[in-house]
Amino acid sequence: AQTVTQSQPEMSVQEAETVTLSCTYDTSENNYYLFWYKQPPSRQMILVIRQEAYKQQNATENRFSVNFQKAAKSFSLKISDSQLGDTAMYFCAFMKHRYLSGTYKYIFGTGTRLKVLA
Amino acid sequence: DSGVTQTPKHLITATGQRVTLRCSPRSGDLSVYWYQQSLDQGLQFLIQYYNGEERAKGNILERFSAQQFPDLHSELNLSSLELGDSALYFCASSPHREIATNEKLFFGSGTQLSVL
Repeated sequence: AQTVTQSQPEMSVQEAETVTLSCTYDTSENNYYLFWYKQPPSRQMILVIRQEAYKQQNATENRFSVNFQKAAKSFSLKISDSQLGDTAMYFCAFMKHRYLSGTYKYIFGTGTRLKVLA
Repeated sequence: DSGVTQTPKHLITATGQRVTLRCSPRSGDLSVYWYQQSLDQGLQFLIQYYNGEERAKGNILERFSAQQFPDLHSELNLSSLELGDSALYFCASSPHREIATNEKLFFGSGTQLSVL
């Protein structure tokens, strides 16, 4: 069974600095998708970034980028120029599509609470 | 705005009662997922529906049930409520097409349930 591990329960970073959140996963699959979701104090779940496992190029979205290491099964999120609004819980998620059964399965990590300090 | 609508936003009830949480997915999305998030905890997957049919079950209690209607909205029914059921309940929808290229979860803003 697939598992997603976020080994950093809490992190903090100074405003304007860069921070990296770690995520590792365990799977025997070759094709899958990875996500980072952000949950600010409002508790809304917001998609930050998405990565297809078959793509070698790391996904980027403005100040957010990932370091996807397929062989190591690692999917870290880098936040550059951290802003106070980045303060949130960040969840890493793994998704597998099973074509024959037409199902999608999502597995979430336990989250990393990030605090950006002024 | 994700396009997923959950009602009500807040619900306060007593132990032993029954409540219904409602979710309207994004226009065109065929799948609905329900998650439970207790205070400062991660997301616990409860159940998934696709085009009206149950597709996957997670750690959903027997006291809980759900369904997806022909118009694709979904309801989560929680009965014989206990104090420990207090949590934020999320609904998420996804396109659920044959090709996973654009597949992702879009979350509603959640229903905060408080059982007193």
